[in-house]
Amino acid sequence: GQSLEQPSEVTAVEGAIVQINCTYQTSGFYGLSWYQQHDGGAPTFLSYNGLDGLEETGRFSSFLSRSDSYGYLLLQELQMKDSASYFCAPGAAGNKLTFGGGTRVLVKP
Amino acid sequence: NAGVTQTPKFQVLKTGQSMTLQCAQDMNHEYMSWYRQDPGMGLRLIHYSVGAGITDQGEVPNGYNVSRSTTEDFPLRLLSAAPSQTSVYFCASSYHTADNEKLFFGSGTQLSVL
Repeated sequence: GQSLEQPSEVTAVEGAIVQINCTYQTSGFYGLSWYQQHDGGAPTFLSYNGLDGLEETGRFSSFLSRSDSYGYLLLQELQMKDSASYFCAPGAAGNKLTFGGGTRVLVKP
Repeated sequence: NAGVTQTPKFQVLKTGQSMTLQCAQDMNHEYMSWYRQDPGMGLRLIHYSVGAGITDQGEVPNGYNVSRSTTEDFPLRLLSAAPSQTSVYFCASSYHTADNEKLFFGSGTQLSVL
């Protein structure tokens, strides 16, 4: 069957590093996307990993290990504006994109 | 470019009423979809379309209808609203597919069914 797990909440201080882990079981898996959503806002795309390894986009990096069905999002040099929910979303053949319950990141001064 | 435009932003319905949530995109995207998001939860796919004239069911299609007569528009119809359909609805589009491409989301419609 399909399953998706990520932590529900993470708290960190400004300037810190946060890693959000995501484990999945997805038939026909293509790759793993990450989305950010601020309270009251719409999800916005952060990154996509189609191959194993690390993808870096500024302060954010995303990693994928297909053999372990595991990925993570790394948020570096945390800023107050990074307080948001982060969703991992495994994509599968047939236009299937599943969103997890999201990880709420709270950044404290 | 306006991107993905959803209307209305807020709507209150009585049980049994019907209504249509509008979604339009001006990016010539082939793929369009509707998600619902309930408090503290992720997004669940309702229906999607891979091009004009083609629609398919997602994870939670019951109680909703869609059509895709043009590339630009993908309306979502609630046939007979129920309190369980109280949610925030997001329309999203991408160039070709959802499985390995960036999704562009609309700003959402907050729907309350009394």
